[in-house]
Amino acid sequence: QKEVEQNSGPLSVPEGAIASLNCTYSDRGSQSFFWYRQYSGKSPELIMFIYSNGDKEDGRFTAQLNKASQYVSLLIRDSQPSDSATYLCASSNTGKLIFGQGTTLQVKP
Amino acid sequence: SAVISQKPSRDICQRGTSLTIQCQVDSQVTMMFWYRQQPGQSLTLIATANQGSEATYESGFVIDKFPISRPNLTFSTLTVSNMSPEDSSIYLCSGLRDSIGQYFGPGTRLLVL
Repeated sequence: QKEVEQNSGPLSVPEGAIASLNCTYSDRGSQSFFWYRQYSGKSPELIMFIYSNGDKEDGRFTAQLNKASQYVSLLIRDSQPSDSATYLCASSNTGKLIFGQGTTLQVKP
Repeated sequence: SAVISQKPSRDICQRGTSLTIQCQVDSQVTMMFWYRQQPGQSLTLIATANQGSEATYESGFVIDKFPISRPNLTFSTLTVSNMSPEDSSIYLCSGLRDSIGQYFGPGTRLLVL
């Protein structure tokens, strides 16, 4: 069974802090990894994807991938209340996405 | 990103009936998928919509229950057949743009009474 695991949270951080979201995956054949943000009642919104070991930065977001440890993370710098949402990690092999259960992030003013 | 639209956006249906959901994507999309998100849960892949041929279903999903068509590159339909209250979910269409990522439509919120 190919799985993606996330801590469901909630993860609570104060405004301006760094939020760290983590994800592990079981399928070593996974080629790409995605982070989606989902607000309540809305569809998932793609934040970032990563397919090479190391870090990838985009604005306040940094995705990190360690294939040897089968571990993916998302760092959100200078967290804002508007970042409060559920963050979904997904792995991909041949285009199909396998999602984790999502981590709920709460950013408190 | 990709432009993806779905309709209907929501519906309330009686058990035993069927509902067809339509998805339209922009021409940059190469692959299309259908997902289900049950209340309080994450997304589960139902099937890959293949252009001009039968969809590829994931374990636990069958064509008789979820027939899918993709007559051309940018359009697909998902039918939820012989519905029961357990089919109450959000159904999401997605499109993959190579090297860009996979994007989701706004979803169809289905309630079966």
